[in-house]
Amino acid sequence: GENVEQHPSTLSVQEGDSAVIKCTYSDSASNYFPWYKQELGKRPQLIIDIRSNVGEKKDQRIAVTLNKTAKHFSLHITETQPEDSAVYFCAASNGSSASKIIFGSGTRLSIRP
Amino acid sequence: GAVVSQHPSRVICKSGTSVKIECRSLDFQATTMFWYRQFPKKSLMLMATSNEGSKATYEQGVEKDKFLINHASLTLSTLTVTSAHPEDSSFYICSARDGGRTETQYFGPGTRLLVL
Repeated sequence: GENVEQHPSTLSVQEGDSAVIKCTYSDSASNYFPWYKQELGKRPQLIIDIRSNVGEKKDQRIAVTLNKTAKHFSLHITETQPEDSAVYFCAASNGSSASKIIFGSGTRLSIRP
Repeated sequence: GAVVSQHPSRVICKSGTSVKIECRSLDFQATTMFWYRQFPKKSLMLMATSNEGSKATYEQGVEKDKFLINHASLTLSTLTVTSAHPEDSSFYICSARDGGRTETQYFGPGTRLLVL
């Protein structure tokens, strides 16, 4: 089955700097890669997703890149702000209607003021 | 985005009792819902896939007789923790797939279960 690895487990950056979180996946059939943000005690919120037919997607300060050959995908947050502090999870799925999403282990991002 | 509700948000029960958690998709129909368990500062662990009108598919290591799942309608799935024990204490989160966008999953707010 699919295995998703995520690094780093914790990340601290200065406010205004960029943050990068990296994930790898094992199943070459995976073609859908969502990223979720979870604040303490809250539900995970989808912040961006990418499908395998594109290599990059951007939404304001957030961007995701995908390298299908290497089975790598990354989340980039630019101009970080205090409200970006949270746990971020990458995930992978083969995108079928009954497909499950497998999550990475999470990255705890802290933004230093 | 689509809205998923979960009830109760928090429950405390005595060891040996059963607890039912409901997951509802409020503004869309969900043929597939998922149940996760999350330990403090850990990732979401998929427990089972709930399929409307059929049996749930459980992940390896998850006891189907311990965690009963029923998906009786396109908007409701329930998870019953039977004969709960302290080690069942955890944060349980459901998600539902929006049928209009086959991949996207929306999460419920979670249920914090504490078994005494």
